[in-house]
Amino acid sequence: EPEVTQTPSHQVTQMGQEVILRCVPISNHLYFYWYRQILGQKVEFLVSFYNNEISEKSEIFDDQFSVERPDGSNFTLKIRSTKLEDSAMYFCASTRTRGSGETQYFGPGTRLLVL
Amino acid sequence: AQSVAQPEDQVNVAEGNPLTVKCTYSVSGNPYLFWYVQYPNRGLQFLLKYITGDNLVKGSYGFEAEFNKSQTSFHLKKPSALVSDSALYFCAVRDGQGGADGLTFGKGTHLIIQP
Repeated sequence: EPEVTQTPSHQVTQMGQEVILRCVPISNHLYFYWYRQILGQKVEFLVSFYNNEISEKSEIFDDQFSVERPDGSNFTLKIRSTKLEDSAMYFCASTRTRGSGETQYFGPGTRLLVL
Repeated sequence: AQSVAQPEDQVNVAEGNPLTVKCTYSVSGNPYLFWYVQYPNRGLQFLLKYITGDNLVKGSYGFEAEFNKSQTSFHLKKPSALVSDSALYFCAVRDGQGGADGLTFGKGTHLIIQP
């Protein structure tokens, strides 16, 4: 069964450093998403992406964040200058279409720790 | 704005007994409702969803959920709990009428099945 994959599984970085989190969505899916889950809190939507541009973003997704699909398979989330409060689990998800009833399939997540 | 409430932080059930994990929602349009499960150090796994049609939805691993429009609820149920069902369960909602791309999640309920 096709799965969303994410690398790395864990990332430790120093405050102020740039990090890039990578995701490989399910191959025939066209819509991609990033979510984060701060320890002990809700899973929160960050951004959606379609046709090489951002479709929608939340208030959390400020100028420190960016997303791109540099090739035909990877979907990346970049945090330019990490802050302590960026420490969280980051999940990538994908759907075949944008329909509201479409199931979003999630990857296993990247646990980011900012020191 | 849409929201999800999972009123119980933790639910304890003896193995073999029926289980219920509660979820209520608020959405301005038609609710599209989802349940996901998260095992330790793993991503979110899709269990089931309600889009339209029969109010009783059946999903993976013997789980089912009942959509109740008048009570704005979508409780997750299973007739006979297994120890392996122990995990963190998330309810999520999207607005089916032109709503946001992202899912809105509840805070999660820890389900503990005691042998």
